[in-house]
Formats: sequence, C-alpha cells, structure tokens
Amino acid sequence: DIVMTQSHKFMSTSVGDRVSITCKASQDVSTAVAWYQQKPGQSPKLLIYWASTRHTGVPDRFTGSGSGTDYTLTISSVQAEDLALYYCQQHHITPFTFGSGTKLEIK
Amino acid sequence: QVTLKESGPGILQPSQTLSLTCSFSGFSLSTSGMSVGWIRQPSGKGLEWLAHIWWNDDKYYIPVLKSRLTISKDTSNNQVFLKIASVVTADTATYYCTRIYYANYFDIWGAGTTVTVSS
Repeated sequence: DIVMTQSHKFMSTSVGDRVSITCKASQDVSTAVAWYQQKPGQSPKLLIYWASTRHTGVPDRFTGSGSGTDYTLTISSVQAEDLALYYCQQHHITPFTFGSGTKLEIK
Repeated sequence: QVTLKESGPGILQPSQTLSLTCSFSGFSLSTSGMSVGWIRQPSGKGLEWLAHIWWNDDKYYIPVLKSRLTISKDTSNNQVFLKIASVVTADTATYYCTRIYYANYFDIWGAGTTVTVSS
C-alpha cells in the first residue's frame, strides 16, 4: 500500500497569512493526489485533484502543486473559515490511501 | 444536484453483520466511469477507504478487510450497499458514502452515518 505522510499534525497561522501543507507519498504517484477539507462536524470536501486542479467552486486562494512523491496545498491568504483539517489522498492505485491530516489553527 | 445519503443501524453488537445503504440522486451508476463506495472515520481519527463499486460491476476492496466486506448495487433504484461481517469494536466509526467519476478521487460525499459496535 502507498503510505501518505503529512508530517505536521497541527499548523498555526493568522488571517491573511500564506500557509503550505505538505504530503509525501511512499512511492511515485504520478500527480494523482487530491486534497480534502474537513470542517468540524462536517464531511470532507474535495478541494484539489490531479495535484493542482481546483474543484468546482473552490476559492482560488487554494493552490495545489507537486510531482513524484512530494505534494503541497497552499492557501495564499488564510481566512477564518479555513479553520479545518486537511487531508491528502493518492488516487493512483488501490487501495486508495489518505494522509493522517493536518489541522489548521487560526491564531 | 448530486446528493448521497447513508443509512445504517446506529448500534450493533460484536460478531453481527453491519449493513449500510447509500441512496443517491443526480446521477446514474450506469454511466461509464461512475463509481460509488464507502470511506470510514473513527471519531477523532483519519479517513480509511473501504470499497467502491463501478458502473460495470467491478469491485475494489481494501485488502486488510476484504474477507469481511461485500459491496453491491441496485442501479435501478440508485442505491449501493455495504455489508461488513463479524464486526468488532474497532469498526465503530462514521461511514461516508462517496462518489468517484473516472479518476479515483472522491468528488461528492454524504453527510455520514455513525455506527457503534458495543455489547
């Protein structure tokens, strides 16, 4: 199975700051990486797929990048409503696997 | 509008079989490339993909649980089912129904149904 590692369990930031959340795959996943946002008490929502394609309706402050084994979700100007857990997922091969999540905290 | 809604028993005892139903609308599981399946999340923990079934009846399961999982579909009634045999307390989780359209990422999620396994 491909292991997706999000090394930061928590990240603290301020409104207006730029923040980058990282994810490392245990093998090359050929940009087949998606990012999800899960707010408290809600189901996850798709933000990004194929590493850098923004899903319909996702604000353009969310940008995905990366290749090979290393991927990044960047929020260019954090808003208060971005308080959430962020998960990466590889959609390269089954079993589909997720990172353990990074909780974004707003100072 | 595409929606997915999960239903389940709420609580069941160890060794029983968990039966979950996903009822969906706004798309058809007879469309090429379409898939519906299940992901679970224990309280306060991460996401675990379990199984998906495709429009052509292909089925994929997480290997570690494959012997206990059965996914099936009723295309005419827009429903997908998941059975988990011989449940244990570790199966306690929120179970989400999700859609895949071609490229194996989950573009639509249901609100989830909470399942507790307890004696």
